[in-house]
Amino acid sequence: QKEVEQDPGPLSVPEGAIVSLNCTYSNSAFQYFMWYRQYSRKGPELLMYTYSSGNKEDGRFTAQVDKSSKYISLFIRDSQPSDSATYLCAMSLTGTASKLTFGTGTRLQVTL
Amino acid sequence: ETGVTQTPRHLVMGMTNKKSLKCEQHLGHNAMYWYKQSAKKPLELMFVYSLEERVENNSVPSRFSPECPNSSHLFLHLHTLQPEDSALYLCASSQRQGPTYEQYFGPGTRLTVT
Repeated sequence: QKEVEQDPGPLSVPEGAIVSLNCTYSNSAFQYFMWYRQYSRKGPELLMYTYSSGNKEDGRFTAQVDKSSKYISLFIRDSQPSDSATYLCAMSLTGTASKLTFGTGTRLQVTL
Repeated sequence: ETGVTQTPRHLVMGMTNKKSLKCEQHLGHNAMYWYKQSAKKPLELMFVYSLEERVENNSVPSRFSPECPNSSHLFLHLHTLQPEDSALYLCASSQRQGPTYEQYFGPGTRLTVT
């Protein structure tokens, strides 16, 4: 069983749709949860991070963590063509000097 | 130059060639990382350098040889690679004792082994 499972997509949605991206994980010791966005021909860039369970909102993006279900989500409201990218979830055991464990990434295409 | 830069951006090499990938960070960080990104696979951490000392090597074959001459530069020397080594190689940097999530990635080198 993979440590982190993420549907690779591709996921195609019309502009303005609400997008839900998800990851499940097996290691209950993970405490920090991150979402990275990777545009074509670029490296990943940090989008959001959360500690433990709960929600975090930043503009059109909301990150949600459910540790009891070992499930994390990223919601994108009012999706734009510029949101078209690959979204990678990642998690770590501690907040500093810790290894990041990544999902495979979900490719998102927002169409006009 | 800002952030993390990598050269070359694309590399095609035969299995008997020797080549090197270069990474440079302009962020004042003290830790640098090499990752491998293959299609439909998670990013794999290959090596971690902290203050120019290798602190992690995740069972990477010896045909990959990292070098960190100073805290701003990181190299990955390649020799006698296999076709399955074709992938995107990403460099990242951070403050070693800083937040784990604050790793900054370069654009990567797309490597094709023929």
